[in-house]
Amino acid sequence: KQEVTQIPAALSVPEGENLVLNCSFTDSAIYNLQWFRQDPGKGLTSLLLIQSSQREQTSGRLNASLDKSSGRSTLYIAASQPGDSATYLCAVITGGGNKLTFGTGTQLKVEL
Amino acid sequence: NAGVTQTPKFQVLKTGQSMTLQCAQDMNHEYMSWYRQDPGMGLRLIHYSVGAGITDQGEVPNGYNVSRSTTEDFPLRLLSAAPSQTSVYFCASSPGTGGYSNQPQHFGDGTRLSIL
Repeated sequence: KQEVTQIPAALSVPEGENLVLNCSFTDSAIYNLQWFRQDPGKGLTSLLLIQSSQREQTSGRLNASLDKSSGRSTLYIAASQPGDSATYLCAVITGGGNKLTFGTGTQLKVEL
Repeated sequence: NAGVTQTPKFQVLKTGQSMTLQCAQDMNHEYMSWYRQDPGMGLRLIHYSVGAGITDQGEVPNGYNVSRSTTEDFPLRLLSAAPSQTSVYFCASSPGTGGYSNQPQHFGDGTRLSIL
């Protein structure tokens, strides 16, 4: 059974700092990995999707990498801003049916 | 473009009552799924569908039923509500066919359900 772990569970940083969120998964036979953002009381917003054949994806200040063989992904946020405060979730698709297995998330707070 | 729409946003039920959580998408997506989110446990898959007329169970299907008569709609039915079903429920959709999609999944804003 696929298991996804995210470390740290919570993180507080000052504005402007570069930061890295970590995600690990136990079964390396994934089709893709996705990073989501969730604001309090809201749904999930897709940030980046990395296909199994890719090593990284970039969108603005966000960069996600994937090392499938070691079962790891990182989300790099450059020059963090208070508006980046949210919970970040990673999820993988391992089998058919387009089913996502989620980690429990990293709650990020960016302080002024 | 409304995306994924879930209704209601909030609901309080008594133990033993039944209800249907609605989910509709206007993007002509084949894949749809239901997740529940509980503190400390992340999101877990309840049921999913790869197209109209096709549904299957996820990780935590007990106490829930689904059907998919159209591409747009994927309702989730609670048969006899129990306090353990108190949770936030999310519906998601994505395009594609075959075993999986390499397109991002779109989520609704959730239904917050309390069972007393």
